[in-house]
Amino acid sequence: ETGVTQSPTHLIKTRGQQVTLRCSSQSGHNTVSWYQQALGQGPQFIFQYYREEENGRGNFPPRFSGLQFPNYSSELNVNALELDDSALYLCAGGTPQDGISPLHFGNGTRLTVT
Amino acid sequence: QKEVEQDPGPLSVPEGAIVSLNCTYSNSAFQYFMWYRQYSRKGPELLMYTYSSGNKEDGRFTAQVDKSSKYISLFIRDSQPSDSATYLCAMVPTDSWGKLQFGAGTQVVVTP
Repeated sequence: ETGVTQSPTHLIKTRGQQVTLRCSSQSGHNTVSWYQQALGQGPQFIFQYYREEENGRGNFPPRFSGLQFPNYSSELNVNALELDDSALYLCAGGTPQDGISPLHFGNGTRLTVT
Repeated sequence: QKEVEQDPGPLSVPEGAIVSLNCTYSNSAFQYFMWYRQYSRKGPELLMYTYSSGNKEDGRFTAQVDKSSKYISLFIRDSQPSDSATYLCAMVPTDSWGKLQFGAGTQVVVTP
């Protein structure tokens, strides 16, 4: 059990629509990172939030945005969905200690854009 | 060229054999190295993480890091069918905690 829960498990959307994915992390995880994993690929870093502020972004356009809330939950929002956005979206929580500590991943939300 | 290269496999081995996995990387800023296991329809599960060059052992798993060659390995001894999964290497610079750079993952199949 990683202490990271994501919802929904699966989602189907139409191109051009907007989607919100949710993540709930256990108490103490003051940092949340979001990743996109296309089929057959490794996860790609989207962005990270630390104490409710964005703290680093990967090579993703501004239509990918997020929020982190004081109760250790987080959201990933994607506007103007494209077919290439179809992927597994992973949320990971953790607490940096002495520079490194494990990132704990949820089981992801599988998004299909048609 | 990708910063982290990993052979996607699939790698098929008989039960009881040693599984050998590896990744190469190009960015010398990477200082922390991890191996994750991912079962189908699940999120990545951390197996090993290490900082320094050398070996780290945990049960049936051994992780090796050679920073001079920019090469990391994971060995699984006495492999079991339950080890069948995709294995992902990941790495991160010192000042970028949480912003992991992953390899593409190697699919491993352990046959009874």
